[in-house]
Amino acid sequence: GENVEQHPSTLSVQEGDSAVIKCTYSDSASNYFPWYKQELGKRPQLIIDIRSNVGEKKDQRIAVTLNKTAKHFSLHITETQPEDSAVYFCAARPGANNLFFGTGTRLTVIP
Amino acid sequence: GAGVSQSPSNKVTEKGKDVELRCDPISGHTALYWYRQSLGQGLEFLIYFQGNSAPDKSGLPSDRFSAERTGGSVSTLTIQRTQQEDSAVYLCASSQGGGETQYFGPGTRLLVL
Repeated sequence: GENVEQHPSTLSVQEGDSAVIKCTYSDSASNYFPWYKQELGKRPQLIIDIRSNVGEKKDQRIAVTLNKTAKHFSLHITETQPEDSAVYFCAARPGANNLFFGTGTRLTVIP
Repeated sequence: GAGVSQSPSNKVTEKGKDVELRCDPISGHTALYWYRQSLGQGLEFLIYFQGNSAPDKSGLPSDRFSAERTGGSVSTLTIQRTQQEDSAVYLCASSQGGGETQYFGPGTRLLVL
């Protein structure tokens, strides 16, 4: 089955700096890669996703890049704000079924 | 519209007891997923329902775990003879179809004493 690895497990940045979280996947059949943000005690919320026919996608301060050849994808957050502090999960989906999640990155934005 | 809902929000049980966790997906969503999130861990896939197809049970960790989805809507996850290692947050998600965005419920926090 699919195996998703995520790094780093924790990340602290100063407010206004950029944050980058990286994930790798193992199954070349994976064609959909969402990123979820989970605040403490809350449900995971989709923040951005990318499909395998696209190399990059941006939504305001958030961007995701995908390298299919290397089987890795990354989340980029620019101009970080304290409210960006949360746990971020990457995921990959081979086919049209369930998601396989990374183990999460706890992002802390220091004011 | 209403999002995915789950009940109960918290459940404390004794080792050896059975528990039932409920998920109400977004109306009209044909796909429903159960995941388990242990403390400080990622989300572990348990089971997936899509329409009237046979469910994908490949993620269930043991035969103590089972799930049903009645009428293509509400789903119940049952854990029999609970063990302490079953303590986790159980999250349900639904999507319009098998390949669409998954929306998560708030989860049920299960504690087995």
